[in-house]
Amino acid sequence: DAGITQSPRHKVTETGTPVTLRCHQTENHRYMYWYRQDPGHGLRLIHYSYGVKDTDKGEVSDGYSVSRSKTEDFLLTLESATSSQTSVYFCAIQGTGGPGTFFGQGTRLTVV
Amino acid sequence: AQSVTQLGSHVSVSEGALVLLRCNYSSSVPPYLFWYVQYPNQGLQLLLKYTSAATLVKGINGFEAEFKKSETSFHLTKPSAHMSDAAEYFCAVSDVSQAGTALIFGKGTTLSVSS
Repeated sequence: DAGITQSPRHKVTETGTPVTLRCHQTENHRYMYWYRQDPGHGLRLIHYSYGVKDTDKGEVSDGYSVSRSKTEDFLLTLESATSSQTSVYFCAIQGTGGPGTFFGQGTRLTVV
Repeated sequence: AQSVTQLGSHVSVSEGALVLLRCNYSSSVPPYLFWYVQYPNQGLQLLLKYTSAATLVKGINGFEAEFKKSETSFHLTKPSAHMSDAAEYFCAVSDVSQAGTALIFGKGTTLSVSS
């Protein structure tokens, strides 16, 4: 168990509303990631962080923003949710025991 | 740019049969390679990883994978399938030259096991 908690686990929201997903880790890892998983696409990187206040864009960052004000928390925000953002979102961290990324349990987001 | 191709979005085997899930990668630098498994409604669990040590890598649950540079492949195998192996499997690659580089995933292969 890599000590990753995602919240909420499930959310239904309306088009146009803002949504924030939270990822919390307990093991002080430097690198954190947000991915989305869609059928037929595997997992695609949205944003990642390499330290407090240090973030960068991934492959599918349009419509998303992130913040990391503390080592343990990495927030993903959809400023104005759209139906195309209906997906399962995974937070991940890179452990210190060599390369290898560990994943949270995911957040299933439905935008109606 | 790195990429991963998983051949076959769906593989079906009988219980006790050999499992072979195919993964090919492209990378301009020596890669790290990973296999993950995902059971329904769960997160991804690391099965095994190649980090430039032994080319034959053993993982959990009886799975193993062999890194073949000449074929740019990292296929996942298990000698005898169990019903509990039914899941989705993802191959992933990352860049060894930069710490913290995010994983790039294949699109996944769903493994079905019949009795």
